[in-house]
Parts: sequence; C-alpha cells; structure tokens
Amino acid sequence: GAVVSQHPSRVICKSGTSVKIECRSLDFQATTMFWYRQFPKQSLMLMATSNEGSKATYEQGVEKDKFLINHASLTLSTLTVTSAHPEDSSFYICSARVTGQPNSPLHFGNGTRLTVT
Amino acid sequence: AQKITQTQPGMFVQEKEAVTLDCTYDTSDQSYGLFWYKQPSSGEMIFLIYQGSYDEQNATEGRYSLNFQKARKSANLVISASQLGDSAMYFCAMREAGRQNFVFGPGTRLSVLP
Repeated sequence: GAVVSQHPSRVICKSGTSVKIECRSLDFQATTMFWYRQFPKQSLMLMATSNEGSKATYEQGVEKDKFLINHASLTLSTLTVTSAHPEDSSFYICSARVTGQPNSPLHFGNGTRLTVT
Repeated sequence: AQKITQTQPGMFVQEKEAVTLDCTYDTSDQSYGLFWYKQPSSGEMIFLIYQGSYDEQNATEGRYSLNFQKARKSANLVISASQLGDSAMYFCAMREAGRQNFVFGPGTRLSVLP
C-alpha cells in the first residue's frame, strides 16, 4: 500500500514553455503533499508544501509564480513549471504522508527528470 | 542550522559484510521520528526504516536495523549481509512532532564491492 504515482518520469521541453507534473496518491488520502527538487549528487530540497483545498506554502527562495502548485483533491497535486528555462532543468520528486497516521513516512513518487533546451 | 548530519559522503563495503551509515540530528523537541531512505541511481526514494523518539527498542526491518542512541542524538543505519543491490544513496531524515515537513541529511553514497 501507500503508492504515489508521478508523471511524467521524463520530459524535455523548449525554453519558454510550461510543463505540468502530476502527483497522485493511489491508495490513500493525502491532505498534504510535498514537492522537492534534487540537483545531481545532492540531497532533496523542499520547494513547497501542497495542501488540499488551499494555497501551497513555498520555501524561501522558491518563486511562486514560476512553480505553480495546485492540490485540487485528496489524491492529486500538480506542479507546473511556467516559462521554463535551462536552469530549471532538474529532478523533481513529490511525496505524501498518509493522512491520520502520525508516524507515517513520506511516500515518494518516482520523480520527474526535466530537461529544458 | 543543519538539523541532520551525515558525515560520510561515501562508503565502501564488501559484499556479505555489514556496514553502518552514520546519522546525527539536532532537535529540542522531545517527540520526533527518524527515517532512512534509499535512493538507487534510478532516482526513486525507498523508505527503509522508522524510529520514534519514544521507542525503547531499536527498529529492525529485515537486513536493516537502526542503532538509536537518543542521548547522543544519533540514529545510525546498519545494513547486514550487504548485497550488490544495496549500492545507492542513503538519506537520513527527521520529522519533529507538530511539523509537517521532513528534514533530510546530505546523504551517504554506499558502494558494495563484489
């Protein structure tokens, strides 16, 4: 149980276009989802906390208008990278905890490798 | 201030041997959880083991065990009988009670040698 599905796994886009990444909890409800960015050989950097039915909470230094997050239901959060540029190329990974389980670990999607040309 | 420290950027272990990956943490909370994750080269994050701050016993999950020393604020991961498939990045993480987010350490790259 506790599976998180993330799509797409890889995407290549041209500079200036927008890319949407979906994160779904398949067999549990997740009122909160987390979006991370990971640079090569580095740890995960929390970008934002996505809350169902309300605005996301962004970490310091993360541009809200660049990285749009929508958490429309208890099982789906989306991250849209708007007007992507080559410096946005990175590995993006979402995660969620099972709502109502205090000791629940984070369950991660398989990540999305974004390349902006 | 960095809350999770993993002092070993890289570790090597011979196949079938045991290895310990270090993790120290910093918190003033009494209630918190500690987690270890494995990240293979494919990128997915795999949850391995959990230790609660009030747990008196060290957590174990198959070949994984956690050497929890609360007074020293350390939560080292022990992998017994290493396998080639254990080669990966390993991250230690903490969630303080009352907080939503997890804090991750910088990771340790483990390489298992045949």
